[in-house]
Amino acid sequence: GESVGLHLPTLSVQEGDNSIINCAYSNSASDYFIWYKQESGKGPQFIIDIRSNMDKRQGQRVTVLLNKTVKHLSLQIAATQPGDSAVYFCAETPYNQGGKLIFGQGTELSVKP
Amino acid sequence: GAGVSQTPSNKVTEKGKYVELRCDPISGHTALYWYRQSLGQGPEFLIYFQGTGAADDSGLPNDRFFAVRPEGSVSTLKIQRTERGDSAVYLCASSFGTSNTEAFFGQGTRLTVV
Repeated sequence: GESVGLHLPTLSVQEGDNSIINCAYSNSASDYFIWYKQESGKGPQFIIDIRSNMDKRQGQRVTVLLNKTVKHLSLQIAATQPGDSAVYFCAETPYNQGGKLIFGQGTELSVKP
Repeated sequence: GAGVSQTPSNKVTEKGKYVELRCDPISGHTALYWYRQSLGQGPEFLIYFQGTGAADDSGLPNDRFFAVRPEGSVSTLKIQRTERGDSAVYLCASSFGTSNTEAFFGQGTRLTVV
């Protein structure tokens, strides 16, 4: 039978292009959201976060958008570089649950030189 | 300064054996979290500590899994009577607090049960 969870959604982009990675979160009571980058053999690395009272936040080459109406997060990476190749996870923190993170499935980003 | 350190980085054990996985959090971080990550999936929450006490252990899959943090710093995740389904990467994270603050992850321990 099919092995659920072994086939990550993938996004392939050309170096220098912009990337958009999307995520649907599950809990309308979540009040804090984070994007993590995970390279092979390493732990997740924090990229950017956003609180539920915001709808947009910008970092260096990255922007996170939050749409609470449809429970949707997106991560935009400008001028994507080969070093951006990794798996990207969104994570949510439900209100009043002590910082426990609930991770989405992840998207594998592949940057072609 | 040093990040979150996990040892060992790899552990191979036989089915039925007992294993301990260690996590050294960032100095001064009061909150410590354990997650488990299977191939191709996002990390799944197991347990978190605020100081020495387990504040939420709702993610532990069964009573074969136990974790301690006796002095509020280093934590050990203990798995009894290991099963092949326990094979995964076990990740530890720490943060300065528990309210909307960044959690820093270690490299993980890859556990393989044969």
